Amino acid sequence: AQTVTQSQPEMSVQEAETVTLSCTYDTSENNYYLFWYKQPPSRQMILVIRQEAYKQQNATENRFSVNFQKAAKSFSLKISDSQLGDTAMYFCARETSGSRLTFGEGTQLTVNP
Amino acid sequence: ETGVTQSPTHLIKTRGQQVTLRCSSQSGHNTVSWYQQALGQGPQFIFQYYREEENGRGNFPPRFSGLQFPNYSSELNVNALELDDSALYLCASRSGTGMNTEAFFGQGTRLTVV
Repeated sequence: AQTVTQSQPEMSVQEAETVTLSCTYDTSENNYYLFWYKQPPSRQMILVIRQEAYKQQNATENRFSVNFQKAAKSFSLKISDSQLGDTAMYFCARETSGSRLTFGEGTQLTVNP
Repeated sequence: ETGVTQSPTHLIKTRGQQVTLRCSSQSGHNTVSWYQQALGQGPQFIFQYYREEENGRGNFPPRFSGLQFPNYSSELNVNALELDDSALYLCASRSGTGMNTEAFFGQGTRLTVV
């Protein structure tokens, strides 16, 4: 089975500090996309950042950046200057042809004041 | 707000009953996917509809079925409900089926089977 694994069920960070969430995945496809989604208590899945597998450059969106290691099939999310509003469940996901998303089990991130 | 709306927001059903969940896709989106998210887990792909045809299905039994209407809204039907069907059901809409299009999620329907 082609899976997505998040090995950190819970993480915490102090406000204004940096935190990194880990994700590894498995795929036999050459072309795929990787995502980090945020799910706050409102339950709505919100796209944080995405990476196209054929692009070498790591994606960046304001305070969010990724470290994409294609050979190692690793895709970590770094959140800089953490804010209280970043508290949420974070899911790593992979999309291959057919546009179905395969999600990891999630990491609950808590930002402490 | 993503423009994807789901109804109802919460639902309680009895084991063995049938349920219909609804999803209104964002304007201009012709693809809708459904996901099941059990408590404490990541969402799992149920199936996808593109222009009123099912064009992908995950590892779910046939009692999970769906429809997509000409306005691209969608329904998820679950027959013979089981306790394990208790979950958050998410729908996501997008324009087309290419990976370069972003999926926008609704806020989900929380189904409890008792």
